[in-house]
Amino acid sequence: EAGVVQSPRYKIIEKKQPVAFWCNPISGHNTLYWYLQNLGQGPELLIRYENEEAVDDSQLPKDRFSAERLKGVDSTLKIQPAELGDSAVYLCASSLTGTANTEAFFGQGTRLTVV
Amino acid sequence: KQEVTQIPAALSVPEGENLVLNCSFTDSAIYNLQWFRQDPGKGLTSLLLIQSSQREQTSGRLNASLDKSSGRSTLYIAASQPGDSATYLCAVKGGGSEKLVFGKGTKLTVNP
Repeated sequence: EAGVVQSPRYKIIEKKQPVAFWCNPISGHNTLYWYLQNLGQGPELLIRYENEEAVDDSQLPKDRFSAERLKGVDSTLKIQPAELGDSAVYLCASSLTGTANTEAFFGQGTRLTVV
Repeated sequence: KQEVTQIPAALSVPEGENLVLNCSFTDSAIYNLQWFRQDPGKGLTSLLLIQSSQREQTSGRLNASLDKSSGRSTLYIAASQPGDSATYLCAVKGGGSEKLVFGKGTKLTVNP
């Protein structure tokens, strides 16, 4: 069974340019997360979806970040315009909907470098 | 607001040693706790999930325990191997939110 698939794996862009990341969750997983991980830190949530609804986007910098999950499956995270401080690893995860016994599975991440 | 702390930040041990990694959290009203492994430049690999009603989970040489009332979890690795070298992260779900809240991780180095 395929895991969570993210693309691209690496992206280098100049500041002020736009960038987009794509995530395909595990089949049947209703919950999808986007996390940001800075070097030496634990991942921090940007946005959480239940099906196509963004149920927690309180930590998403909405002036430059946007996300969508069309048809409740694949998701795209966009940054426009990118800043130097956005250089980080962007992780996508998915799980079944629920609380106690729902294990989250992560993709390989997209490493963004803004120059 | 849930906060997760992992101690130590880094650990270096000789091959074959048994070791314990620690994780503490501030809000005990959790749904579950998950341990992950992260290799350099890679994503997170799920190791163990402990539901709030459970005390421990085992997978191979790994054993994770949970003491929800004291806000603590430990990951025990038996007979460590160089291939265990990685960063180990714990994450809790609950405490007022269904998101996973992560610690900063423990970087483990197992020397041959």
